[in-house]
Amino acid sequence: RKEVEQDPGPFNVPEGATVAFNCTYSNSASQSFFWYRQDCRKEPKLLMSVYSSGNEDGRFTAQLNRASQYISLLIRDSKLSDSATYLCVVIRSQGNLIFGKGTKLSVKP
Amino acid sequence: DAGVIQSPRHEVTEMGQEVTLRCKPISGHNSLFWYRQTMMRGLELLIYFNNNVPIDDSGMPEDRFSAKMPNASFSTLKIQPSEPRDSAVYFCASSLRDAGEQFFGPGTRLTVL
Repeated sequence: RKEVEQDPGPFNVPEGATVAFNCTYSNSASQSFFWYRQDCRKEPKLLMSVYSSGNEDGRFTAQLNRASQYISLLIRDSKLSDSATYLCVVIRSQGNLIFGKGTKLSVKP
Repeated sequence: DAGVIQSPRHEVTEMGQEVTLRCKPISGHNSLFWYRQTMMRGLELLIYFNNNVPIDDSGMPEDRFSAKMPNASFSTLKIQPSEPRDSAVYFCASSLRDAGEQFFGPGTRLTVL
């Protein structure tokens, strides 16, 4: 089983839609979790951290379920500019980041 | 700050040639990471340094790959000899600490013919 797994998509949604991505991780000792965003032919950039209690940043909500070992990202009121690949990131206990392969989102007019 | 700087941005070379990729991390960051990204394998950590010392190089594919960090402001990733299967985008990233947010450079797109 891969250490971090994501549905590659693509998720094709209309503007204004709500879309959710899940990511599962295999190492129960994983300590920290993030969502990164990567635009086509660009470098990954941090979107948001994921906290145990769940956290929200504008239209974006991230949640962590340690018991089931998954994290989620919810995007409300999708914009065209949200089109990108979303990478789930897990920090091992040793302190380096493991990236999922990403979920591609395409928001259409 | 200019962010993480990588050079060259694009490199096309022939099989068997030596390739050197360069990275300048953000000033004050203690950790530096080298990644490789391909469609098939996604983003893979090759090696990371903390305070210029290699901490984990388990992701380095084989002896043809080597990385150095002679000082806090410069790192190189060398492939010798290069092979077509090394074609990928190589990213360098830095962070204040090894478990913190990583800031990525723009990447080097390597093509080995």
